Amino acid sequence: DAGVIQSPRHEVTEMGQEVTLRCKPISGHNSLFWYRQTMMRGLELLIYFNNNVPIDDSGMPEDRFSAKMPNASFSTLKIQPSEPRDSAVYFCASSAGTSGHYNEQFFGPGTRLTVL
Amino acid sequence: AQSVTQPDIHITVSEGASLELRCNYSYGATPYLFWYVQSPGQGLQLLLKYFSGDTLVQGIKGFEAEFKRSQSSFNLRKPSVHWSDAAEYFCAVVANSGNTPLVFGKGTRLSVIA
Repeated sequence: DAGVIQSPRHEVTEMGQEVTLRCKPISGHNSLFWYRQTMMRGLELLIYFNNNVPIDDSGMPEDRFSAKMPNASFSTLKIQPSEPRDSAVYFCASSAGTSGHYNEQFFGPGTRLTVL
Repeated sequence: AQSVTQPDIHITVSEGASLELRCNYSYGATPYLFWYVQSPGQGLQLLLKYFSGDTLVQGIKGFEAEFKRSQSSFNLRKPSVHWSDAAEYFCAVVANSGNTPLVFGKGTRLSVIA
């Protein structure tokens, strides 16, 4: 398996532009997580999905952030409009899910976003 | 809510020396505990995990960690550090039910000197 795939790996954009980050989870996994890594706050959860349904989006900073999972093999994280403070590394992770049991999360390589 | 504290932001050790990275967690029940490593510009790689049973767990790359319930700790150790171990190390906790998100510590950056 190719593992979790994220694109782009690097994104440089100007303040005010729309940014879309993409994630393809491991085939057969039904839980997907978006994390953000910054120097100040470390690694923190933004949102996660179980069976394509958003379960907890309390980590999404504000309305400028939105995430979708239209099917089991694809998710997007969109920032509109982007701001310099959104500069961070965004990780996607997926896991195989069974209720009541923890399953290992596998991380993608991350997208390094720079907003100028 | 769960939380993780890694008291050391940056540690420098000599190659061949032993290593211990500290991790303390806060959780009402016995959590699932993890150590991840992140090399520069790379994603996160799982080193080891503790779910239950033997409190000393072995991981990849010669790492081990010991769960101590009385101290709410899960410290990572390696008897002899190699230059390639220089990286950022994250301790994480998750509730022991279902597919819930990981809660990470702020990380400890390890530098290895000759």
